[in-house]
Amino acid sequence: DAGVIQSPRHEVTEMGQEVTLRCKPISGHDYLFWYRQTMMRGLELLIYFNNNVPIDDSGMPEDRFSAKMPNASFSTLKIQPSEPRDSAVYFCASSLALGRDTGELFFGEGSRLTVL
Amino acid sequence: DQQVKQNSPSLSVQEGRISILNCDYTNSMFDYFLWYKKYPAEGPTFLISISSIKDKNEDGRFTVFLNKSAKHLSLHIVPSQPGDSAVYFCAGGGYGQNFVFGPGTRLSVLP
Repeated sequence: DAGVIQSPRHEVTEMGQEVTLRCKPISGHDYLFWYRQTMMRGLELLIYFNNNVPIDDSGMPEDRFSAKMPNASFSTLKIQPSEPRDSAVYFCASSLALGRDTGELFFGEGSRLTVL
Repeated sequence: DQQVKQNSPSLSVQEGRISILNCDYTNSMFDYFLWYKKYPAEGPTFLISISSIKDKNEDGRFTVFLNKSAKHLSLHIVPSQPGDSAVYFCAGGGYGQNFVFGPGTRLSVLP
């Protein structure tokens, strides 16, 4: 398997623009996670899905953030409108299960977002 | 409220010596722990795990120790190598709970 695939790897945009980040999880993984990495907070969970259904979105910072998973092989994280404080690296991860020995997370390479 | 804490943002160690990275957690429901390693411009990769029924797990140069009563775990790397220089994340989880990550510790192994 190719692993978790994210795009774009880098995105530079201006404040107020819409940003869409994309993720293809590992085939057969039932869980998909969106994380944000910042210097201050490390790896911060934004939202996760189980079988394409959002389970916990309590980490989504504001209504400007939204995530969808229309099918088992694709998810998007959208920021509209974007702000400079959204600048971070966004990681997508997938796993077979939740929180146990089969719950090892496999991460993508991340999408580095810069909002000017 | 941070459920997983890594109080040392950075650590420098001489090549060949032992690196000890520490992690504390507050959630008593956590019963499984992971360590991830992250190089610049790459995603985190799984390194080693430990279940709460154990107090030690070893994999080559990497050993994780768990002290449940203190809610503390540590990752030992012996001997440390320059290629070990990375950010290390500790994470705690449990049945039906997603893993919660700490803020990470940046390890620099000096040649």
